[in-house]
Amino acid sequence: GAVVSQHPSWVICKSGTSVKIECRSLDFQATTMFWYRQFPKQSLMLMATSNEGSKATYEQGVEKDKFLINHASLTLSTLTVTSAHPEDSSFYICSARRGGGGTYEQYFGPGTRLTVT
Amino acid sequence: SQKIEQNSEALNIQEGKTATLTCNYTNYSPAYLQWYRQDPGRGPVFLLLIRENEKEKRKERLKVTFDTTLKQSLFHITASQPADSATYLCALASGGSYIPTFGRGTSLIVHP
Repeated sequence: GAVVSQHPSWVICKSGTSVKIECRSLDFQATTMFWYRQFPKQSLMLMATSNEGSKATYEQGVEKDKFLINHASLTLSTLTVTSAHPEDSSFYICSARRGGGGTYEQYFGPGTRLTVT
Repeated sequence: SQKIEQNSEALNIQEGKTATLTCNYTNYSPAYLQWYRQDPGRGPVFLLLIRENEKEKRKERLKVTFDTTLKQSLFHITASQPADSATYLCALASGGSYIPTFGRGTSLIVHP
């Protein structure tokens, strides 16, 4: 159990366009989902935390108007990179956490490689 | 400022030996610490969680120790195999939000 999927696994887009990445928890309900980005040989940097039905909480330095997050249901969160630029090229990873029970394990998706040309 | 330090140099060991990875932290009072495995181009996979009041946790060939006085966690893989080759990340979370912060990870290479 505890499988998280991401779609697409990779995407190439032109500068100025928008890209949407989906994150789904396949076999559990995720009250909280997280979005990270990771540059080569760097640690995961948390971008935002979202709770189902609420607005996302963004980390300092992350532009909320550029990285739109929607957590519409207990199994789906989306990240939209608006007006993408080459510096947005990165590996984007989502994770999901079950609610309640005092368990804090996070289950990660396989990641989405975004390349902006 | 809060820091999580993992050895940036790759750890190279022979198959069958025990691999030991280190995670040190400063300016942190973690409620728990986690270890993850990450393969190239993939998302991290959860391995073990150890709470602040626990000294040691085991799972099959994996063992984690947590010393809140030394501010250090050690991650051991016994009888290592080439398939264990990956990057291992430690992550700490404080009470309240319990949102973990990740270290950069240490690459482990197990040679046959």
